[in-house]
Amino acid sequence: EPEVTQTPSHQVTQMGQEVILRCVPISNHLYFYWYRQILGQKVEFLVSFYNNEISEKSEIFDDQFSVERPDGSNFTLKIRSTKLEDSAMYFCASRIDRAPNEKLFFGSGTQLSVL
Amino acid sequence: AQTVTQSQPEMSVQEAETVTLSCTYDTSESNYYLFWYKQPPSRQMILVIRQEAYKQQNATENRFSVNFQKAAKSFSLKISDSQLGDTAMYFCAQRGVSNFGNEKLTFGTGTRLTIIP
Repeated sequence: EPEVTQTPSHQVTQMGQEVILRCVPISNHLYFYWYRQILGQKVEFLVSFYNNEISEKSEIFDDQFSVERPDGSNFTLKIRSTKLEDSAMYFCASRIDRAPNEKLFFGSGTQLSVL
Repeated sequence: AQTVTQSQPEMSVQEAETVTLSCTYDTSESNYYLFWYKQPPSRQMILVIRQEAYKQQNATENRFSVNFQKAAKSFSLKISDSQLGDTAMYFCAQRGVSNFGNEKLTFGTGTRLTIIP
């Protein structure tokens, strides 16, 4: 089965630093997402992205966050100035179209630790 | 607003037994999808089963089946003949379909299931 790939699997950064989390969605997918999961808590939606635009974002996704699809294959999440509370597992996901029954594929996540 | 509630933080069951995980939800959408995701220790999110709200027939995937009670807004997951590999965190999730851009999944807090050998 095709996979969504995320790198790195674990990233450690200092508070206030910029961090970029990288994802390679499945090649023919058109809709891309970021979710996050703070340890011990529920998975939370951050943002959805289609046709080089954000289609929906949550309250969590403030001005410190941005997403980009720079080269047609990668899909990145940037946090400009990390805070301690940004420590979480970040999941990238993709699907081929927005048909409601279309399966969403998740990556294995990047564990971000902000010190 | 959509909410998903899982009232069982932890459950355990003997291998080969049947276990049922509970989920209730609330939504103002007229149509929507419901999902169960499995998160093993590797922390990858794996789709277990999904149900369209307008379909009355309960979804089934091999040993996994759901009991969808639309009026009660209940969506429980039954795992039959449980196996050690079923040990994981299980998340119930919902997605609306009525509005463009209403694409996000809303997750519950999860149930940690342990299968005992």
